[in-house]
Amino acid sequence: DIQMTQSPSSLSASVGDRVTITCRASQGIRNDLGWYQQTPGKAPKRLIYAASSLQSGVPSRFSGSGSGTEFTLTISSLQPEDFATYSCLQHNSYPLTFGGGTKVDLK
Amino acid sequence: EVQLVESGGGLVQPGGSLRLSCAASGFTFSNYWMHWVRQAPGKGLVWVSRIKSDGSSTSHADSVKGRFTISRDNTKNTLYLQMNSLRAEDTAVYYCAREKYGSPDYWGPGTLVTVSS
Repeated sequence: DIQMTQSPSSLSASVGDRVTITCRASQGIRNDLGWYQQTPGKAPKRLIYAASSLQSGVPSRFSGSGSGTEFTLTISSLQPEDFATYSCLQHNSYPLTFGGGTKVDLK
Repeated sequence: EVQLVESGGGLVQPGGSLRLSCAASGFTFSNYWMHWVRQAPGKGLVWVSRIKSDGSSTSHADSVKGRFTISRDNTKNTLYLQMNSLRAEDTAVYYCAREKYGSPDYWGPGTLVTVSS
């Protein structure tokens, strides 16, 4: 199975901050990666697909980059509605595997 | 508007069975691969199963293989998850999700399954 190591597991930030979250795959997965946002009690929402493509309707302050084994989700200017948990998902091979999640809270 | 709504969750005893359903609307269900993903209380997301658009191929996580079966009825626009021999560690919110561009895009609100005596 491909392991997805996500870091950090949590971070505290302020509105307007630039935030970067990283996922590392245990083996190369090309660009077969998505990023998800989840708030408590709600279903995940896809932000990024194919590592760097912005999901329709998602604000442009979200961006993704990377290929192979290292991937990054960046929020260019954190907004109040962005305080949530973010997870990556590799879909290069089965079983699909998620990163452990990054909780972004208010500093 | 794409909508996915899960149902069928509840409290079941260890060793028991449950069938989850996911009603789809707002898109051509028969064109899309579908997934089940679960999330134990306070934990991360875990992929469970997926099924090809025509139902001809399925995959399951090792943790549920032989106990859970994913299926679909394209005439009813409905996805299913038959869960047998349930264990305490199967307690989770179960989400159905549509796949597009290789990964789940739209997700349902989830249904809670609690396995406890």
